[in-house]
Amino acid sequence: DGGITQSPKYLFRKEGQNVTLSCEQNLNHDAMYWYRQDPGQGLRLIYYSQIVNDFQKGDIAEGYSVSREKKESFPLTVTSAQKNPTAFYLCASSKAGDYNQPQHFGDGTRLSIL
Amino acid sequence: GQQVMQIPQYQHVQEGEDFTTYCNSSTTLSNIQWYKQRPGGHPVFLIQLVKSGEVKKQKRLTFQFGEAKKNSSLHITATQTTDVGTYFCAGRASGGSYIPTFGRGTSLIVHP
Repeated sequence: DGGITQSPKYLFRKEGQNVTLSCEQNLNHDAMYWYRQDPGQGLRLIYYSQIVNDFQKGDIAEGYSVSREKKESFPLTVTSAQKNPTAFYLCASSKAGDYNQPQHFGDGTRLSIL
Repeated sequence: GQQVMQIPQYQHVQEGEDFTTYCNSSTTLSNIQWYKQRPGGHPVFLIQLVKSGEVKKQKRLTFQFGEAKKNSSLHITATQTTDVGTYFCAGRASGGSYIPTFGRGTSLIVHP
């Protein structure tokens, strides 16, 4: 079955540490996204990518970095500059350049501070 | 920038009662999508509305898109415990990016 796989499901970060969240999709989608979800805040866009080797900042990109070296993969690094990283992180994908395509989400990664 | 407001934030209902969540955009939308997120889960696409005044139904769920394409609603008739979750709208601005803006969601709690 096609889908999006996020790992790990739970992640703990120590102060001053960078951590990387994995996102892999086999839907052959060009566009991929990272969202942060906090209680009562909905989904806030961190970064998105429409094509390999290209990505753009979303609404809350500070303290995060991404790469898009392969179409299937869009890892997110939460850097030590992100002072409040505790949240639920969701990766999504969709067909690019088409306004009427839905987003498909992974199961998410819950990040907590130790 | 574009804003999508969604109300209410929470709604408690007794099983069998109806439920409605509303979505309002600060700008005209090209389309609006609705997603459901079960507790502990991830958002799952429900439906998309594109045309002004469009109404779509999925069993007990009725989705509407306003005439001005700036608001939308989701109505559930006779709620069941399986309807529990958070419902999000996501709108794309006319002439803007294909990236949707999500509302904050409405969490539905159904009491048996």
